[in-house]
Parts: sequence; structure tokens; C-alpha cells
Amino acid sequence: EPEVTQTPSHQVTQMGQEVILRCVPISNHLYFYWYRQILGQKVEFLVSFYNNEISEKSEIFDDQFSVERPDGSNFTLKIRSTKLEDSAMYFCASRVGQGSTGELFFGEGSRLTVL
Amino acid sequence: GQQVMQIPQYQHVQEGEDFTTYCNSSTTLSNIQWYKQRPGGHPVFLIQLVKSGEVKKQKRLTFQFGEAKKNSSLHITATQTTDVGTYFCAGPTGFQKLVFGTGTRLLVSP
Repeated sequence: EPEVTQTPSHQVTQMGQEVILRCVPISNHLYFYWYRQILGQKVEFLVSFYNNEISEKSEIFDDQFSVERPDGSNFTLKIRSTKLEDSAMYFCASRVGQGSTGELFFGEGSRLTVL
Repeated sequence: GQQVMQIPQYQHVQEGEDFTTYCNSSTTLSNIQWYKQRPGGHPVFLIQLVKSGEVKKQKRLTFQFGEAKKNSSLHITATQTTDVGTYFCAGPTGFQKLVFGTGTRLLVSP
């Protein structure tokens, strides 16, 4: 069964360092997402990406964040200068459907710990 | 912005008891989705409801979408230990953004 894969599963970094989280969405999907979840809290939307550009982003997704689809398969989230409050689980998700309907397929997540 | 709240935040039941979580949106939704997240896991899609008043069943799970399309519920009959996890509703806002509810964490004791 096709699945969304994410690397690394866990990354520990020092405050102020740059981090890149990688995702390989399901191959025929067209819509890509990053969500984050601080431990024990809800799943928060960060950004959606379609047709090689950001389609929507939340207020959390400030200038420190960027996304890229550098080739036909990878979808990356970069945090330029990490802060302590960026510590969270970051989930990549994708879907095939058009419009606002359709199942999101989530990866297993990348846990980011900022020290 | 759109708010999606769920109650209760947490429920602990004995195996065999029923469980219900309620989801309320501050705005009318075109559809609502439900996800389950096992402890330490990632959200997994359960179902999508589109029509006003729609009711769908999956074995022991019953999902309902309110008439005004602003609320929804998930009811589990005769819970099992495998039902443990956090249940999230999620509704679209804008073209692609899916906003997750606050979640209800379910613990089932054998």
C-alpha cells in the first residue's frame, strides 16, 4: 500500500540552527501539506502546496519557514533558525482529491527537539 | 479564524462501555472528516461526511453530521482496548486548508 514517508524520524538541534525535514508524498497525489503537533496538543496546519507553489499558510508559518519540492518526489520543510518553541512533531501529508474534500494521508512524522 | 472544538478533552471508560465525542465548528463546513491517532502514531483517516444530517456507520463506530453542518459526533458502541487513541474531527477552511479539532483522548481499561 502506498504511503507517505518522512525523514528523519527524530532530529535534535541547537537553537538557531537550520533544519530540513523531508517527505516523499504518495506518487499520484497533487496536494501536499505540513502540520505540526506539540506534544499532547492538537494537529496544527502549517502550509499547503499545490502546483509547485504555496496555496495557503497559517500564521505559524512565518519567514523562518519555507517549503520546496526540489524534484518530482521530495517535499521539504526548512526552518532557518530554530527556536525552542519549534520543538514538535512535524507531519507531512498528501492527498489526491480536488477542492476541499478527500482523505489526507499522513506520514509517521519527524520529531524535532530544539535545545 | 475558524475554530473547531471537541468535547470532552479526555474520557476514560471500561471496556464494553460506549463513548461519544462531539465536534463543533464556528463556521459552516462543506464537509467534515474524522481521524484517529494512536499513542505515538500519526493521524489516520476514518471517514468523511458531506451531506447535512448524514449518518455513516463503520462496524461499532457511528458518525453523524449535523443539520446545520456546524457540528458532528462520533459514537463508539462497546469500546475495546484497540479503540484507545485520540479522535480528531477536521473541517476545511479555504480551498485546501484542513483545520483539526482539539481532539478527544480515549482511554479504555480492560
